[in-house]
Amino acid sequence: GQQVMQIPQYQHVQEGEDFTTYCNSSTTLSNIQWYKQRPGGHPVFLIQLVKSGEVKKQKRLTFQFGEAKKNSSLHITATQTTDVGTYFCAGTDKLIFGTGTRLQVFP
Amino acid sequence: GAVVSQHPSWVICKSGTSVKIECRSLDFQATTMFWYRQFPKQSLMLMATSNEGSKATYEQGVEKDKFLINHASLTLSTLTVTSAHPEDSSFYICSARDMREQYFGPGTRLTVT
Repeated sequence: GQQVMQIPQYQHVQEGEDFTTYCNSSTTLSNIQWYKQRPGGHPVFLIQLVKSGEVKKQKRLTFQFGEAKKNSSLHITATQTTDVGTYFCAGTDKLIFGTGTRLQVFP
Repeated sequence: GAVVSQHPSWVICKSGTSVKIECRSLDFQATTMFWYRQFPKQSLMLMATSNEGSKATYEQGVEKDKFLINHASLTLSTLTVTSAHPEDSSFYICSARDMREQYFGPGTRLTVT
């Protein structure tokens, strides 16, 4: 079946440093979505990418969808403590979730 | 934005009993709802896709007789964990989609003793 892997599994950064998580699918995706889950909470939708090579920005967050539509990345510039959480990518209509990247930000 | 609710938010039950979890879309109609399970520090695993008025579609490895799903209306889907065992203890999350995006319920934490 389809697999969606994310790297790294964990990332600890100092506040102000940048952070990137990478998402790789075993199959081509029609679209990809990104979610953030705070500890103890549920996933919250961040963005959806549909087009090959698409790049979208939300303030300090930059999302990219690969040309082959099999990979994606989320980059956070100048992390803040409020960015703490686990970031998941998810693909296809059934939302197969990636393995997630847990981000910890130290003040 | 759209809201999806779940009830109960947490439940403790004894081994061998059944537990029903409700998922409601509060301000939109959802023909399709999804049920996920999440173990601590792990990703969400899709269990089944719930379709209003028809049988649910289960993912490989998910026992349909153990996890009964009923999608009785456009705003309500239920997941019943039958004859629960300690290994069924997990965080169960439902989600529903409107025209634009997918929304997740707050989750139900099930502990089977």
